[in-house]
Amino acid sequence: QSVLTQPPSVSGAPGQRVTISCTGSSSNIGAGYGVHWYQQLPGTAPKLLIYGNSNRPSGVPDRFSGSKSGTSASLAITGLQAEDEADYYCQSYDSSLSDVVFGGGTKLTVL
Amino acid sequence: QVQLQESGPGLVKPSQTLSLTCTVSGGSISSGSYYWSWIRQPAGKGLEWIGRIYTSGSTNYNPSLKSRVTISVDTSKNQFSLKLSSVTAADTAVYYCATNYYDSSGFRFGPWGQGTLVTVSS
Repeated sequence: QSVLTQPPSVSGAPGQRVTISCTGSSSNIGAGYGVHWYQQLPGTAPKLLIYGNSNRPSGVPDRFSGSKSGTSASLAITGLQAEDEADYYCQSYDSSLSDVVFGGGTKLTVL
Repeated sequence: QVQLQESGPGLVKPSQTLSLTCTVSGGSISSGSYYWSWIRQPAGKGLEWIGRIYTSGSTNYNPSLKSRVTISVDTSKNQFSLKLSSVTAADTAVYYCATNYYDSSGFRFGPWGQGTLVTVSS
């Protein structure tokens, strides 16, 4: 069981907007630690998608955005495209465990 | 852009030691900008951070694996390595090496290597 909780799956039609939640606690997200998001396309390594709650690395389309509130964070994808079909993981730091923690991952299906 | 490539045996027998090496190109492992981490992913499952090393040689390990893990660095070869002892079938996974950057937003990973599948089986 992951320290950060994500829905196992979400889906949406092309062009729609989807959000993926990442729920933590007062020892990680709620303690103010940054949340990072990764995209893992089928058969490939994860790629950093959002860092520090809401920052996009160079090259990541602005269709992807991140936010954080309280003990939760969210990844939003607008203008959904078939190529967005992937697994998405959130990651933060946990003071109780004294190191990084990942969410269990969310599989995004583009209908 | 830094690139990473994992290498090592794809099959390890139970109770033996898994050994992998990550070769860094496009930048110096001694630059001090990054930590260097290992992360694994069993088939169909999520990501598990194994541990990290800094160029000074200081290490941090996942508490659940700490008793079996050793990460080392060879700056002359621009490589860092993972050893996981007393492996069982539960250690079968794709193993990734990754840069581990730290700033005010905490530790984050990227770039990553392509990953290497290690199967534990007799």
